[in-house]
This record gives sequence, C-alpha cells and structure tokens, in this order.
Amino acid sequence: GAVVSQHPSWVICKSGTSVKIECRSLDFQATTMFWYRQFPKQSLMLMATSNEGSKATYEQGVEKDKFLINHASLTLSTLTVTSAHPEDSSFYICSAYYRDRGLNEQFFGPGTRLTVL
Amino acid sequence: DAKTTQPPSMDCAEGRAANLPCNHSTISGNEYVYWYRQIHSQGPQYIIHGLKNNETNEMASLIITEDRKSSTLILPHATLRDTAVYYCIVRRADNNDMRFGAGTRLTVKP
Repeated sequence: GAVVSQHPSWVICKSGTSVKIECRSLDFQATTMFWYRQFPKQSLMLMATSNEGSKATYEQGVEKDKFLINHASLTLSTLTVTSAHPEDSSFYICSAYYRDRGLNEQFFGPGTRLTVL
Repeated sequence: DAKTTQPPSMDCAEGRAANLPCNHSTISGNEYVYWYRQIHSQGPQYIIHGLKNNETNEMASLIITEDRKSSTLILPHATLRDTAVYYCIVRRADNNDMRFGAGTRLTVKP
C-alpha cells in the first residue's frame, strides 16, 4: 500500500517554542492530507484538512493561528505548533488521501509524539 | 456521516477467530463501512471496507448485514500481534475525511 511518513517521530521542547512536524507521501501524490491529534487513552480527533496550494480547513475548536498548516507540494504537508504549552503535548498523526484506479483511501503516518516541558 | 457503536473492549484467545461487532443503524445508502486498527503508539492501519457485500482480504473478513445496520470484522486466526484498538467508521464515498469513534480494544491472549 501507499506509504506516509512523519518527521520527527518524537520531539521534546520547552514551553513557548514552536515545533514543526512534517508529513510526506512517499510514493504517491496527495492533494489532500489530514492532521489528527490523539491524547492518551483517547481516540483520534481530526484537527484540520490540508489542501495543496490552498488554505487548510480547521475543525471547530482548533486554533488556526496556533496550529499552522502548510501544504506547499503534492507530497508534503507541515504542521507547526506555535508557542507550544504542556497541554499541547499529544500524539500527532497525519494521513494522506490516495486515489488511483478505483482505490480511494486514506493512509496514515506513524505519528509524532510531542512533549512540551 | 453515520455514527457507529462498538464494544469498548474484547478478549480473544490466540489462534481463535476474533469477531468484532459494529452497529451503524443510521447508515445511508451511499456510505461505506471501513475498519482500521491502531497498535499502541502507531498510526492507524487500514484493514478492509465494504458497501453491502461481504468482503475478504488477506487480513480479515467483513460481514455486513442485509439491512446494513451492523457489521462484523472477523480476524480468522488471531495472533498476539493483532492486539490493538479496532475502529469501525462509516463514511460517504465523496467525503474524504475519516472520523474516529472510541473503537474496540482487542486483547489477544496466549
């Protein structure tokens, strides 16, 4: 199946700093990518939809100025957590939408664990 | 998209079939049933999906009731590596985003 990677796999940062997480579709082009957040023992919550060449669409309650999304190419979307605080510590997961020859699926990255001290 | 209901947890003996149920009584005619699983601290993994016919692949089988209000994911010979949270998701074909419920935590025991 299609492969989606994330970098870094984990990051620890100080409160007040910004952290950038990359999501790449390795063997296909993805016009649409998605960003999820998952707190311990909870399910994945959709944060935003990232569309190549246009502004991201954020879910209700997600601050667009805090979680900056850039989808500058068909294989890369980035999520920047600005002025991170301990409550932003979470597991961030991206997915990429794959469409080819009748297959119409989402493939997920391995996730990035963010810890804010 | 229609809401799904799954039991919060299930146990299964290694080597036996794991049958994971999902209720989606408000499913619409153009909505598919998808199953994903998430092993601890990893991203979700696609398992299988279907519209109204039963489906089978190398990982699992999906049985959808005739009225489409419920479905069952079957892992025919569960192994310890199948221990994970299994998510049943109902989604329209033209709706790209995937929204997750609480899922079922399957524990396969030796």
